[in-house]
This record gives sequence, structure tokens and C-alpha cells, in this order.
Amino acid sequence: SQQGEEDPQALSIQEGENATMNCSYKTSINNLQWYRQNSGRGLVHLILIRSNEREKHSGRLRVTLDTSKKSSSLLITASRAADTASYFCATALNQAGTALIFGKGTTLSVSS
Amino acid sequence: DAGVIQSPRHEVTEMGQEVTLRCKLISGHNSLFWYRQTMMRGLELLIYFNNNVPIDDSGMPEDRFSAKMPNASFSTLKIQPSEPRDSAVYFCASSYLGRDGYTFGSGTRLTVV
Repeated sequence: SQQGEEDPQALSIQEGENATMNCSYKTSINNLQWYRQNSGRGLVHLILIRSNEREKHSGRLRVTLDTSKKSSSLLITASRAADTASYFCATALNQAGTALIFGKGTTLSVSS
Repeated sequence: DAGVIQSPRHEVTEMGQEVTLRCKLISGHNSLFWYRQTMMRGLELLIYFNNNVPIDDSGMPEDRFSAKMPNASFSTLKIQPSEPRDSAVYFCASSYLGRDGYTFGSGTRLTVV
């Protein structure tokens, strides 16, 4: 069963615009992670945010976590055509010893 | 490091045949995960191992599915007999103690006709 649910399911923007994807989850977590999947490829880890963190940055990526609302958001700033992919959030109940549970993803299309 | 390596990349087989998917972990990683991805159900966790020991196989659809980890660097997922509804992309991923996320392989696209 899905622990995380991404919103929206699909997002289309122009190059240079920002893209925001949201994730909601159901149970308490140790950390939440975001992954990217290009068509026909495996998933690539983007960023991990722990339950005691509220915000994290990595390059053009900004992730927030609100444990009281059981939600997270991924912001991609100044998007590029190469950012076109599916983005998944995944939750870990513990750091080690349990597996990640993935949502169904947000499909992002960035047109030039 | 070449990353997580899966083979074969594509497999087409007839219903009833045995299928074996292979995965080589990243050196030093101690956790191994098998996922299945379909349009309808998304990414489903099938089974995972910590230090070569199966921890949770509750996601394995039925007894037709089995997974082994004979050593610290290699795992197989076997489907016997295969059915058309098993058609999906199967991913393995590895990590070290769950830190820094998972590294995924490129997947095996299985088609059962």
C-alpha cells in the first residue's frame, strides 16, 4: 500500500518557471526522500530530509517537511527541459531496517 | 563503482516458463530491495534483505515468487511459473544502513505472453 501520495499527478510548465510538487503521508517517519525517474530508467535519489529537519536545499532543489501535517514539498527552481521526469516521494519508518514506501509520483513536463 | 547492475534489461517469456532476474549490489552496501513497477500499482516493494537475511517478504505476490541472496553482493528474483500479470519492470536497489538513500538499478522489463 502507498504511504506517500504526490500531488499533482501531472505538471506542465515552461523552462525557467518553478515547479512545486507535494507529498502527503500517513504514519510517523524517520525520514522522507525524493527520487527522480527519467522515462525507461531507474530511480535516482535526489534528497533526504530527516524528521527533525524542516527544510533542506540541494542546488536548485528545495525540500520542506511538516511532520505535524505529515506533508512535504519539493520545489525545483528555474526549471530546465532536462528536469522532465517523474518525481517520487518515499518514506522510511526507520533509518535502517525497514524499506522505503513510494508514492505514485508526479510527472513533470518542462517545455522550452 | 558501476552502481547496481541488473540483468537482463529485457525479458520476454511465455506463460508458464521460469524467469530469473539478477542483481549485483554496490560494494559495501548491506541492504537489498526488490521493487516492481506498473502503471496501475506504481512501485511495490516485494522483498528486502539486510546483511543477506530476508527481513520482509510480505510484498511477494504469491508462492510463485522467490528471492535469494546467496552472498553479500548478489541476489536473484525467480518467478515460476510466470503469468501475463507478472509483466512489469522489476527494480533492485541497495543502500548502506538506509543512509543517503537508495541506489537503483536500471531495471528488468519483463513481458510474459
